[in-house]
Amino acid sequence: EAQVTQNPRYLITVTGKKLTVTCSQNMNHEYMSWYRQDPGLGLRQIYYSMNVEVTDKGDVPEGYKVSRKEKRNFPLILESPSPNQTSLYFCASSTRELAGRVGQETQYFGPGTRLLVL
Amino acid sequence: AQSVSQHNHHVILSEAASLELGCNYSYGGTVNLFWYVQYPGQHLQLLLKYFSGDPLVKGIKGFEAEFIKSKFSFNLRKPSVQWSDTAEYFCAVNAPDSGGYQKVTFGTGTKLQVIP
Repeated sequence: EAQVTQNPRYLITVTGKKLTVTCSQNMNHEYMSWYRQDPGLGLRQIYYSMNVEVTDKGDVPEGYKVSRKEKRNFPLILESPSPNQTSLYFCASSTRELAGRVGQETQYFGPGTRLLVL
Repeated sequence: AQSVSQHNHHVILSEAASLELGCNYSYGGTVNLFWYVQYPGQHLQLLLKYFSGDPLVKGIKGFEAEFIKSKFSFNLRKPSVQWSDTAEYFCAVNAPDSGGYQKVTFGTGTKLQVIP
């Protein structure tokens, strides 16, 4: 079954304690992305990756890191979490056309990770 | 930078009422357009998408949307809502960013509450 998985689904942590949220897809997609969802703000892109070892900042990258060492995995790292990073996080993946051409891919979303930073 | 506006933040309807949720985007070139639904406690699911061709797109669960290029709009409609349509709805646009790479931008969402 084609899917995007995230772990953990729920996490409560304290300020400053490093954490990693994993994301994995089994569709051989080149493109992966992390979003955070906050009430009244919708989904905002944190980081994205167009392929292995290729990552770039989205709209709200501050306080986050990512890596893309393998095509299927795209972990989100919070080196020193703060309460303003309390949010619902979604990972997504899709195929991706090259620059200048709007592709016809659809993003597949993971189930979400609800993070509370105390 | 491209932007997506959903003007209705919270909509309350009675069952069987008709629904129209507004979505406007800012990019002037070729776009792909999407509507996603998020039921309480669940992740986003694709309702429908527009890539090209017929501007009236039909999706799952009786939803449809109309792409009006001149108005930069992609409004979501359903003739008769059900209690089970209670959810949050997100419009999204896929268009090239300033670097020429594709980028998906989401609207802020519309919470729909259907009263039995």
